[in-house]
Amino acid sequence: EDQVTQSPEALRLQEGESSSLNCSYTVSGLRGLFWYRQDPGKGPEFLFTLYSAGEEKEKERLKATLTKKESFLHITAPKPEDSATYLCAVRTPNTGNQFYFGTGTSLTVIP
Amino acid sequence: DGGITQSPKYLFRKEGQNVTLSCEQNLNHDAMYWYRQDPGQGLRLIYYSQIVNDFQKGDIAEGYSVSREKKESFPLTVTSAQKNPTAFYLCASTFDTTGNIQYFGAGTRLSVL
Repeated sequence: EDQVTQSPEALRLQEGESSSLNCSYTVSGLRGLFWYRQDPGKGPEFLFTLYSAGEEKEKERLKATLTKKESFLHITAPKPEDSATYLCAVRTPNTGNQFYFGTGTSLTVIP
Repeated sequence: DGGITQSPKYLFRKEGQNVTLSCEQNLNHDAMYWYRQDPGQGLRLIYYSQIVNDFQKGDIAEGYSVSREKKESFPLTVTSAQKNPTAFYLCASTFDTTGNIQYFGAGTRLSVL
């Protein structure tokens, strides 16, 4: 059965304290792994798409990486405005080309 | 600006009542989706539509219905058969069924009176 697991569920960081969020997946074939940011009471906002192991993408303080079993979202020197829930999703042939989401990591950055 | 508009932002349902959530997009996207988000759970797919006049059930379609009469619109009806409707509902779209960037609306929060 295809699964997407995100860890930790919640993370509190001091401003400037770098860390990583994890998204592990067990799927039969991967058509893409996606990272989204969701602010409270709002819809998710697209961040990155990764397709193959070894691929990396960066945007400001965020960097996403992909291996054959997991993806990391690295946050370098975070600021309070980075506080949000970060969602990971996958697309596989088994999900009929649809998106299958993890439960998210709630990040709080303390000034 | 192009995007997805969901309305209303907040909605209250009385016992036995059907309610309809609106989703409109001006992105010229073919595929549209409805998700339900509950605390501590990931987004779960209710229905999706790849093209006008066609839609498929997702993982949790029971108690919900949809229509796709226009490319721009994909309304979701929460019927009285849905016994636990309180949740945050999100509408999304992609350019087509292979499009990989999913754009989301701002959501509708549904509560039961």
